[in-house]
Amino acid sequence: AQTVTQSQPEMSVQEAETVTLSCTYDTSENNYYLFWYKQPPSRQMILVIRQEAYKQQNATENRFSVNFQKAAKSFSLKISDSQLGDTAMYFCAFMKPANFGNEKLTFGTGTRLTIIP
Amino acid sequence: DVKVTQSSRYLVKRTGEKVFLECVQDMDHENMFWYRQDPGLGLRLIYFSYDVKMKEKGDIPEGYSVSREKKERFSLILESASTNQTSMYLCASSKGQPNSPLHFGNGTRLTVT
Repeated sequence: AQTVTQSQPEMSVQEAETVTLSCTYDTSENNYYLFWYKQPPSRQMILVIRQEAYKQQNATENRFSVNFQKAAKSFSLKISDSQLGDTAMYFCAFMKPANFGNEKLTFGTGTRLTIIP
Repeated sequence: DVKVTQSSRYLVKRTGEKVFLECVQDMDHENMFWYRQDPGLGLRLIYFSYDVKMKEKGDIPEGYSVSREKKERFSLILESASTNQTSMYLCASSKGQPNSPLHFGNGTRLTVT
């Protein structure tokens, strides 16, 4: 079974600074997908960014980027120029490919990020 | 945009009651999921379904059952609610294609007294 570990339960950073959230996972699979989800106080889970394991290039979405280290099984999220709206719970998630497209996600325990004005 | 709607945002039930949590998605997604979210434990998969009338157990199915009679609707059933089922319940859906992200509802916070 796959496991996902987020070792930072809480983090805080000043507005406009850069912050990195860590995530490690354990799997024997060679091909898989990794995701970061954001859950603001409104509770709506929103996809932030995703990475295919077979792609060496790190994914980027505007101010959000990942540092994917396949050998180390590490998938950290970097938020640049942090904004007050980035305050949320962030979850790292792992998806193993399955037949017929019926994959499911395994989540980490989350990191509560607070952006300080 | 995909919309996943959970019928209740807050719910309070008594121990022993039968509880139904309803979820509807409007994007013709094949896959639907029920997760439970608890502080310090993240999201844990209860059940999922990849087709009408199909269901598979997730990591913590004990005390729960599900129903998927129509493609757009996935119901979570607590046959006899207990206080340890007090939690946030999140429904999600995804297309039946590799690497399809999950789209989540707003969650139902269930309290069992």
